[in-house]
Amino acid sequence: GENVEQHPSTLSVQEGDSAVIKCTYSDSASNYFPWYKQELGKGPQLIIDIRSNVGEKKDQRIAVTLNKTAKHFSLHITETQPEDSAVYFCARGPGHSGYALNFGKGTSLLVTP
Amino acid sequence: EPEVTQTPSHQVTQMGQEVILRCVPISNHLYFYWYRQILGQKVEFLVSFYNNEISEKSEIFDDQFSVERPDGSNFTLKIRSTKLEDSAMYFCASSAQGAGDTQYFGPGTRLTVL
Repeated sequence: GENVEQHPSTLSVQEGDSAVIKCTYSDSASNYFPWYKQELGKGPQLIIDIRSNVGEKKDQRIAVTLNKTAKHFSLHITETQPEDSAVYFCARGPGHSGYALNFGKGTSLLVTP
Repeated sequence: EPEVTQTPSHQVTQMGQEVILRCVPISNHLYFYWYRQILGQKVEFLVSFYNNEISEKSEIFDDQFSVERPDGSNFTLKIRSTKLEDSAMYFCASSAQGAGDTQYFGPGTRLTVL
């Protein structure tokens, strides 16, 4: 599948600050964009996802924005807490057919007290 | 809350041996997947399975890999003759519907090939 580029690879913020992680993709047929959080030794856990018929979705302190024209989507975490520290992966779902999620390389987020 | 489970959590094997990784998907889900994650790298798709057949596979999923749903609850990944480079975390996932539906991941099996 086509690559998903994710930036930054590491991010360190102070507790209470916001964190933003950005991903870009190239397949214009893609229409599903999930974000997963992976804690050490565990499997990826879905935290939020967005489909291409909306530009923004919010769930408490987490939001995702999607710009289909520019082919990028971003994860925004506000009021960060130490327990937000983890690796975050963006992914791109298939376009017209197929099932595979194509993941970015991940962002290691550290929230310091 | 229903979740995907996987066994074993850690499997150590000798190069050339066969291994079977087991998964129990969420009970009302119809689509099943295997992904792998080599240490420190991104999660990579291996295969998807629906209605008792493979619906999509990646170039990683070569002839040494196979999947099976032996009964109404289990979903297995078999690696016929393991190689050192097969060492990775293997994640099972499931979804209620197909393309574009939310995929829920299990905790993974860490496979170590010596």
